[in-house]
Amino acid sequence: DAKTTQPPSMDCAEGRAANLPCNHSTISGNEYVYWYRQIHSQGPQYIIHGLKNNETNEMASLIITEDRKSSTLILPHATLRDTAVYYCIVRPMTTDSWGKLQFGAGTQVVVTP
Amino acid sequence: NAGVTQTPKFQVLKTGQSMTLQCAQDMNHEYMSWYRQDPGMGLRLIHYSVGAGITDQGEVPNGYNVSRSTTEDFPLRLLSAAPSQTSVYFCASGYRGRETQYFGPGTRLLVL
Repeated sequence: DAKTTQPPSMDCAEGRAANLPCNHSTISGNEYVYWYRQIHSQGPQYIIHGLKNNETNEMASLIITEDRKSSTLILPHATLRDTAVYYCIVRPMTTDSWGKLQFGAGTQVVVTP
Repeated sequence: NAGVTQTPKFQVLKTGQSMTLQCAQDMNHEYMSWYRQDPGMGLRLIHYSVGAGITDQGEVPNGYNVSRSTTEDFPLRLLSAAPSQTSVYFCASGYRGRETQYFGPGTRLLVL
């Protein structure tokens, strides 16, 4: 059973913010939300993760709703190099679950000039 | 650091042949894992290792063997290749307790 639901695709104009939604309505209390992206057949790249508080790093911001049933990844100023498939993943924060990332189909984001 | 390296980049096999996909990392990561990605799909976990001498199965382990004799290397063996194993294979590694996994560039395998 899929743990996350994402739209299959979305477009974004270069320079604008890209808001990528993810639904994880069955998330458990000890599960974190992770975001990875995969640029055209390369290996996936870690973006950000969070539990319940909003998180920000040099790549993106992660907004998690108070009930934790959904989240949004925000790319503040999208560039053409941000064109990629973005994966939203939930995973328990336990040692025996490390490395067990369950990738869904993700969202294909296309940034246009 | 070279990061995570994978060899070969591309390989063609005939059904029934065996081969080993190589994965190495120079970051002293405890954890290493192998994923496969079929066209248009997300990655699926094949095998993983939490340290030298320790391995375990992932979601799709059938037809693959792994071993972890050193911290740096985590080879994936295809015992008898089948067309269903045509895929792109990614190796990943990371530190225990750190959430970032680093992925290699992938090996594209075609089984005829």
